[in-house]
Amino acid sequence: NAGVTQTPKFQVLKTGQSMTLQCAQDMNHNSMYWYRQDPGMGLRLIYYSASEGTTDKGEVPNGYNVSRLNKREFSLRLESAAPSQTSVYFCASSRLAGVTQYFGPGTRLTVL
Amino acid sequence: AQKVTQAQTEISVVEKEDVTLDCVYETRDTTYYLFWYKQPPSGELVFLIRRNSFDEQNEISGRYSWNFQKSTSSFNFTITASQVVDSAVYFCALSEGDNAGGTSYGKLTFGQGTILTVHP
Repeated sequence: NAGVTQTPKFQVLKTGQSMTLQCAQDMNHNSMYWYRQDPGMGLRLIYYSASEGTTDKGEVPNGYNVSRLNKREFSLRLESAAPSQTSVYFCASSRLAGVTQYFGPGTRLTVL
Repeated sequence: AQKVTQAQTEISVVEKEDVTLDCVYETRDTTYYLFWYKQPPSGELVFLIRRNSFDEQNEISGRYSWNFQKSTSSFNFTITASQVVDSAVYFCALSEGDNAGGTSYGKLTFGQGTILTVHP
């Protein structure tokens, strides 16, 4: 099992460009999450999907959109990237909401 | 709102020393879950432990041990006989239970992390 996979691993964007971060899990988990990690601030939840077909905002949703494509895949889209979105992005999944979350390797995004 | 505080920003020890990482949390919920994750220099987040709010038994796993005390809202993590490979950022996190009205159920709130450096 690969667990949680994320693509790409690294990305550099110019201000105003758009991109989609992809996340997939092969653990048959119901819940999936997107976090961002900034220095000194721990991880903060952007969006989550408690189950297939549902998505909800987290702590810092502004500037992002998500799609729960199917049970396995949960994508994060930046429509118009800003330098403030420079961060490391982690996707996570859990069997159910509330139980242990398992994380992907992260995507390091730089917005110039 | 829930909150997790890891007051120790950085800790530096010499190999074989014991080290304790502190975690204090705030929540209004009566059912909640506490976690510790490790982030080594390679960057991935590794799950270490999960505790339920109604289970205050301390846990030991090899050189790792956890002390959960509801009376002080603390969930501290001790590494015994530290090793260089323990060098990492350690995060404490809190998730509310399903009687929180569904608005925050399952969402993890992380502390700021503690950078542990173990010198040879």
